[in-house]
Formats: sequence, C-alpha cells, structure tokens
Amino acid sequence: AAGVIQSPRHLIKEKRETATLKCYPIPRHDTVYWYQQGPGQDPQFLISFYEKMQSDKGSIPDRFSAQQFSDYHSELNMSSLELGDSALYFCASSFRLAWGYKDEQFFGPGTRLTVL
Amino acid sequence: SQQGEEDPQALSIQEGENATMNCSYKTSINNLQWYRQNSGRGLVHLILIRSNEREKHSGRLRVTLDTSKKSSSLLITASRAADTASYFCATDAGGGADGLTFGKGTHLIIQP
Repeated sequence: AAGVIQSPRHLIKEKRETATLKCYPIPRHDTVYWYQQGPGQDPQFLISFYEKMQSDKGSIPDRFSAQQFSDYHSELNMSSLELGDSALYFCASSFRLAWGYKDEQFFGPGTRLTVL
Repeated sequence: SQQGEEDPQALSIQEGENATMNCSYKTSINNLQWYRQNSGRGLVHLILIRSNEREKHSGRLRVTLDTSKKSSSLLITASRAADTASYFCATDAGGGADGLTFGKGTHLIIQP
C-alpha cells in the first residue's frame, strides 16, 4: 500500500539558512499534518491542512510556514534556522470522515534536519 | 501542557512475556492512537480506539480505553525481540483540533 512520502530524508543546513521539506500524502487522504520531534522528545504538532486550506495550528514558530498545493502535496518552509530547529520532521496524512472525526494518521519516514 | 503520559517510561522483559503500557490523558478525546517508533525512525501506526469503544484487538495487541479514568493501556502478548521500540499514545481531541497530542512514550526492551 502507498505510504506517506517525505523528501529529503536528511538535510544539513547552517544557522540562518532556509530549508524546505516536502510531503506527499497517501492518495485520497484529504488532511496533512506536520510534526516536529526533538531528540529524545515526543512529536509536537506544528500545523495541518484540510483540502488545501490551513486547518489547525500548533506550536509552529513564526519563522516557519507551510502550504498545501493543488495536488495535495505539502511543503514546510523554515527560515532563519536556529540550532534548536535540529529535529525529525514528520508529515502525516489522514482521511476526514466528517467534521471533527478523522481516521488514523499515517506518518511518513521523516526528514532529519541538522542545523550547524 | 502534555496530554498523554505514558507509564512506565521504560520496560524491560524477557521474550515471550507480555508487556503492558499505560497512558493517561487530561481532556476529553475523540479517539486515542498508539504508535511504535524504532530508534530515530518513523512512527508506525498500531491501533486506533474511539471514545465510544472500550477494547480493541489487533493480532498480538490489545488496547483498552477507560474514558471515565482518562486512561488507556496497550498490551503486547508473547513479546518478540522485534517488539523492542518506543511506544507512544496520542490523543485526538476532535472538533476543530487536528493535531495529535503525544505522550512521552514507553521504551520497551525485549531481552532474547
């Protein structure tokens, strides 16, 4: 079965640089989520999109932005990178059964971002 | 604030034994999901239990949910070395809230 695809898998950046992470959800899933997992931490929700519109916002820094495109893929744009941004970034997707009722969230393999 | 809290934080058992992990949460939920994560790798979805369900099975996994106590448990029967991983519970509050709130996780080690 098709899974969530993320690219790149690994990324190394310098402080103050920018990074763009890409996510391709499972076909027919209408909701995409982004999470950040620091070393030894649990995943933290950043932002989500439903049918290409921002749906919910979590602890996403102002330096980060995201969007979902017409083909449902999503990109997380990160600017002015800081050392503390080093983390695993996960994209997940799900199918929305009805307002407020969602199916399982399936996660991609993650992008490991290292900021030097 | 942290919604899900796993208990214990770490668990080491012998292969073949059963492993039980608990999760407590603070607010009302729409569903609760359990995930497995091997070191530094992706999150693998194990099972979803909805707020109107009390118990669910999937292979060697058994999940219970007690909404009155705001707690859930994950039981892995007949554990195998390959079950060694971190296990997270994650709550979905439903409504307009999209993101899952994860617990700190239980690190499970299966000794061969």
